[in-house]
Formats: sequence, structure tokens, C-alpha cells
Amino acid sequence: GQQVMQIPQYQHVQEGEDFTTYCNSSTTLSNIQWYKQRPGGHPVFLIQLVKSGEVKKQKRLTFQFGEAKKNSSLHITATQTTDVGTYFCAGGGTYKYIFGTGTRLKVLA
Amino acid sequence: NAGVTQTPKFQVLKTGQSMTLQCAQDMNHEYMSWYRQDPGMGLRLIHYSVGAGITDQGEVPNGYNVSRSTTEDFPLRLLSAAPSQTSVYFCASSLRQGEQFFGPGTRLTVL
Repeated sequence: GQQVMQIPQYQHVQEGEDFTTYCNSSTTLSNIQWYKQRPGGHPVFLIQLVKSGEVKKQKRLTFQFGEAKKNSSLHITATQTTDVGTYFCAGGGTYKYIFGTGTRLKVLA
Repeated sequence: NAGVTQTPKFQVLKTGQSMTLQCAQDMNHEYMSWYRQDPGMGLRLIHYSVGAGITDQGEVPNGYNVSRSTTEDFPLRLLSAAPSQTSVYFCASSLRQGEQFFGPGTRLTVL
């Protein structure tokens, strides 16, 4: 079945450093979503990418969807303490989404 | 709008007991899904529904049943609870292949 791998599993950065998490699917995706989950909370939607090679920006966050629609990345520029949490990608097929294992980000002030 | 609501927030069961986790949404979303979240495993899809009367299995359906008699409600039934079902359960809803809205979760412990 479809698998979605995400790396790294953990990342500790100093405040102000950049951060990137990568997502790879075993199958071609129709779209990919990214979510953020704060400790003790529920996943909150960040963005959805649909087109091959698509790049979207939200302030300090940059999202990319690979040309083959099998991989994606989330890059955060100049991390802040408010960026702490776990970031998940979710690969979309026809009707359902398979989540990656997530990258837990800690930001040291 | 309340969004996606889940009850209960916490539950402790004994092995072999059955129970139903409730999920409701007031956004008239077609799609609803149940996920479980275990440490280091991300969110795994249990069952999903693309509309009232239509359900299908996800990645880890064994030991769980669902039904979708209305657009608003999507209950998850544990038939005979096992310690392996100790987890945090999230319900989510969305329009067709759109942003998923998650409920606050139910933390279940099976002894």
C-alpha cells in the first residue's frame, strides 16, 4: 500500500536558524497537505499543494511539491519559538490521505 | 460554528469492553475520517467516509466499525477493546480533497 516517509524525525535548532522537513511518497500523489500540531493539540492545516513543481509561501514558510508529485518539503526561515511543534505531511490519493510520521521541531531561545 | 466535536475527551476501558467514540461536524462536509495517533507513528487512517451511507477502510481498520447515517455524525465503535488500541483518536472532516478540520481528540486507555 501507499507509504509516506518523512525526515528527519526530530530537529533541534537555535532560534533564528532555518529548518527543513522532507516528505517522500511511494506512489504519485494527487495532492499533498501540510499540518502543524502543537504539543497536546490537534493537527492544524497549513497548506495544500496540487500542481507538479508548485511552490507556495506563507510568510517565513516555503512549501514545495516535487516535479514527479512524489515528494514535498517545508522550509522555515529564521525559526521562532512559536514554530515549536510537529509538522506532518499528508499524501492525498483519490479519497483518503496517508500521513507521514512527522518531524518534531524544538526551537532553543 | 462548533467545527468538529468529539466525545469523550478521555476514556479508560478494560480489555474486552466495547464503546463508541462520537464525532460530529456542523460544516456540511462530505468527507469524514478517523485517525489514531501513537508516539512516533504519526496519524494512521482507520476508516473514512465520502458521504452519508458510504464508508471504507483505511490503513488500520481491524477492531473498529463505523457508520455514516447522517452528514453530520461519524461514530467509531470499538467492538472488543484491546491494550493495542490505547491511543489518541482524532476525527476530521473536509470538503472533497480539501483542508481537513480536526476535532480535539479522544485519549483512550485500555487496561
